[in-house]
Amino acid sequence: DTGVSQDPRHKITKRGQNVTFRCDPISEHNRLYWYRQTLGQGPEFLTYFQNEAQLEKSRLLSDRFSAERPKGSFSTLEIQRTEQGDSAMYLCASSLLAGGETQYFGPGTRLLVL
Amino acid sequence: KNEVEQSPQNLTAQEGEFITINCSYSVGISALHWLQQHPGGGIVSLFMLSSGKKKHGRLIATINIQEKHSSLHITASHPRDSAVYICAARMGFGNEKLTFGTGTRLTIIP
Repeated sequence: DTGVSQDPRHKITKRGQNVTFRCDPISEHNRLYWYRQTLGQGPEFLTYFQNEAQLEKSRLLSDRFSAERPKGSFSTLEIQRTEQGDSAMYLCASSLLAGGETQYFGPGTRLLVL
Repeated sequence: KNEVEQSPQNLTAQEGEFITINCSYSVGISALHWLQQHPGGGIVSLFMLSSGKKKHGRLIATINIQEKHSSLHITASHPRDSAVYICAARMGFGNEKLTFGTGTRLTIIP
C-alpha cells in the first residue's frame, strides 16, 4: 500500500461550479479525516468518518459542503456553488482505530476558484 | 486566540545549528502531534506524544503536560530540514479531530 491518495491533485474551477474530490485511505484504516488549509495557515478540521459513519462536522462545513464514505473505504468531498473563499488545499488523512493513533496524510487537492 | 500557538513563525538558521520550535496549547489534550510539510503540501507525521520525550534520528520532541507546552528540536540541522513544521493537538479524550498551529517555516542555509 502506498499510503493515502487524493484525486485530483489540482482543480481550477469557476465560481458557482460544483467540484468533487476523492480520498482513498490506507486500506485497513477505519478513520478518515478531511481538513482544509489556506495559504500561510495550519490545516483546519472539516469532518471525519469512522467506517461509513460521519461522526463529526465542523461549523466550517457549510451546507454547500457534503462528504460521504459510502462503503467505509474511499471518501468524497463535494463543494456546491463554489466561492472564491473556497480556494484552499483540501487534505485527507486516515488512521487505524482510535485513541491516539497516528494520522497519515494524503498529498492534498489544491482548489482554485476563479 | 488560537487554541494551539507556535513560535517562531519563521526561523532561518545556518546548517549545523540546533533548532527549537515551540508549541503551546490552552486546554487539556490527549495527544500532541508534530508534522512536517514540504512545499507542494505533503504532510508527514513526525511524532505523536502524550508525555515525556521521543527521539527519531536528529529529531527530538518533548512535552510538558503541566505547562501545556511542547518543543521540537533538530540537532545538526541540514538544508533538507527546510520545511514548515506544524504542531497539532488532539483536544480531549474521545475527540479525534486535530487542532493545528499555524506552523513554523524553517529555512536552513548551507
